[in-house]
Amino acid sequence: QSVLTQPPSASGTPGQRVTISCSGSDSNIGSNTVNWYQQVPGTAPKLLIYSNNRRPSGVPDRFSGSKSGTSASLAISGLQSEDEAHYYCATWDDSLNGPEFGGGTKLTVL
Amino acid sequence: EVQLVQSGAEVKKPGESLRISCKGSGYIFTTYWISWVRQMPGKGLEWMGRIDPSDSYTSYSPSFQGHVTFSADKSIRTAYLQWSSLKASDTAIYFCARHGSVSDAFDMWGQGTMVTVSP
Repeated sequence: QSVLTQPPSASGTPGQRVTISCSGSDSNIGSNTVNWYQQVPGTAPKLLIYSNNRRPSGVPDRFSGSKSGTSASLAISGLQSEDEAHYYCATWDDSLNGPEFGGGTKLTVL
Repeated sequence: EVQLVQSGAEVKKPGESLRISCKGSGYIFTTYWISWVRQMPGKGLEWMGRIDPSDSYTSYSPSFQGHVTFSADKSIRTAYLQWSSLKASDTAIYFCARHGSVSDAFDMWGQGTMVTVSP
């Protein structure tokens, strides 16, 4: 049971905008930045968003992140079939002295 | 090209020992911490701990402390994850991941090593 709570699933049709939430506490999201990872089935995770809202080179601007208080969100606009994957939020946890991952959200493109 | 390349899949019996590897290339290996992340079948990501390849300083998640050991050989740019006595519950994919320089995010991941422990 992760200390970061994500919805287990989300879905959308091509072209739609979807958001995935990540809820934490003062000791993790509340006091640290949030990162998001995309994992296509059968492959390694890939960094999608870091430091709440920054995109690594090569990540399309359809992906955006935000954080407010002890919660964060990942938004995907102009949904595409290749966006079908698991998405994980993560943040540093002061009590763990390491990163904590959310349970993951499976995104289905209908 | 910056990459982390992990060793191949392993099939072991309970009680056996195992060491898997993660070789870095395309960057200064000693500049970035390496973490290990477990993914059990059909489950999410779990941080196991990290190693600083420059001095082999380690930090373990309490969930894994005492059951696994991290090491690194900077002369060959390789980090290791090892078990002295495997259990069936160690069956999982294990990823190594590089800590980025700008944030605490993992900016590069190995392809993963599948470890199967079965009698």
